Amino acid sequence: GAGVSQSPRYKVAKRGQDVALRCDPISGHVSLFWYQQALGQGPEFLTYFQNEAQLDKSGLPSDRFFAERPEGSVSTLKIQRTQQEDSAVYLCASSTPDSSEQYFGPGTRLTVT
Amino acid sequence: KNEVEQSPQNLTAQEGEFITINCSYSVGISALHWLQQHPGGGIVSLFMLSSGKKKHGRLIATINIQEKHSSLHITASHPRDSAVYICAVRAGAQKLVFGQGTRLTINP
Repeated sequence: GAGVSQSPRYKVAKRGQDVALRCDPISGHVSLFWYQQALGQGPEFLTYFQNEAQLDKSGLPSDRFFAERPEGSVSTLKIQRTQQEDSAVYLCASSTPDSSEQYFGPGTRLTVT
Repeated sequence: KNEVEQSPQNLTAQEGEFITINCSYSVGISALHWLQQHPGGGIVSLFMLSSGKKKHGRLIATINIQEKHSSLHITASHPRDSAVYICAVRAGAQKLVFGQGTRLTINP
């Protein structure tokens, strides 16, 4: 693949629904990051994987947020019982472990109504 | 106070003007990134700096480690430069800490 891909690109959920957002990193990139970007703000860190290991989840805002990367490639960010404040763009980025350069996907815009 | 502060938050200029966007940070860093974000969300990395100055086409980025400050300059600005420019720092760990972004609009 040419770059990081994310799906869906847009998601509308009713308050209380569960959602799952997918990230396909660049092939061979062992590091994967999830960020949340509220409207008009810069992105904020959610969680970080190296291969299948979740090394940092300090940015997850509540226990409704869960991320996994079971085979060390594709990652899924799951949000349970969505709330209006979860409305944001969710960005995924990947990198090689020896590089500071992160490559971003196009994001998933989540709107909770 | 945020760890990464950008100024201005919004900037409107005429085509051809010289543009400067500033970034100040309050933590020790291993690298600073300048990123560009167009409507629709896609983020593109422009520069990664740990010292000195880098130039790419009409874009120049500088960093002063002692003053914890970086600037992004655009020479001969063009309407296609209109975007949100984001400063982000890597403070030892892998994750990035972002500024709030500067929305740049270049009018023809």
